[in-house]
Amino acid sequence: TQLLEQSPQFLSIQEGENLTVYCNSSSVFSSLQWYRQEPGEGPVLLVTVVTGGEVKKLKRLTFQFGDARKDSSLHITAAQPGDTGLYLCAGEFFGNEKLTFGTGTRLTIIP
Amino acid sequence: DAGITQSPRHKVTETGTPVTLRCHQTENHRYMYWYRQDPGHGLRLIHYSYGVKDTDKGEVSDGYSVSRSKTEDFLLTLESATSSQTSVYFCAISEGFNRKGEKLFFGSGTQLSVL
Repeated sequence: TQLLEQSPQFLSIQEGENLTVYCNSSSVFSSLQWYRQEPGEGPVLLVTVVTGGEVKKLKRLTFQFGDARKDSSLHITAAQPGDTGLYLCAGEFFGNEKLTFGTGTRLTIIP
Repeated sequence: DAGITQSPRHKVTETGTPVTLRCHQTENHRYMYWYRQDPGHGLRLIHYSYGVKDTDKGEVSDGYSVSRSKTEDFLLTLESATSSQTSVYFCAISEGFNRKGEKLFFGSGTQLSVL
């Protein structure tokens, strides 16, 4: 069984601060996705990364895929209350095309 | 927003009763999925479908069955509900012709409580 570990599980910070959350596995990903989920709703895709070392930016969010394709990070600059939510990473592993989801990081931005 | 409708949004039922959850899509996507979401476990795949009458098991399929008689509808049935099946159930869809980095679109979920 291929596992994804996300850290931290919970993060609560003040508006305007920066933060980074992580997604790690012992296996190599063929691709990795980040989703954000708000209360009472389903996850919404933020980004997909497929190349080792790849960096993608979405406004104040920066996503990085590790060189060895076993880890990824999400960095948020100048966090805002609208960033509050559950951040999920989901990876595809070679030989298993179905997505495996991590347990998520629950982020709370305090105004 | 992708056209995915789950019904009901909330359901309370008793142990041992059958329950059917419905997912309806208006996107004509080939792949449809049922996930459950539980604290500490993230999203886990129950069953998925890659076409009409074509389905396969996910990692937590025991106690669940599915049917897809039309492209737009995917039904999840709990034949005899148990308390361990209390969860939030999500339907998702994808186009399915580009498997690497496939983008999933999720419905809003069904909160199921089995008493």
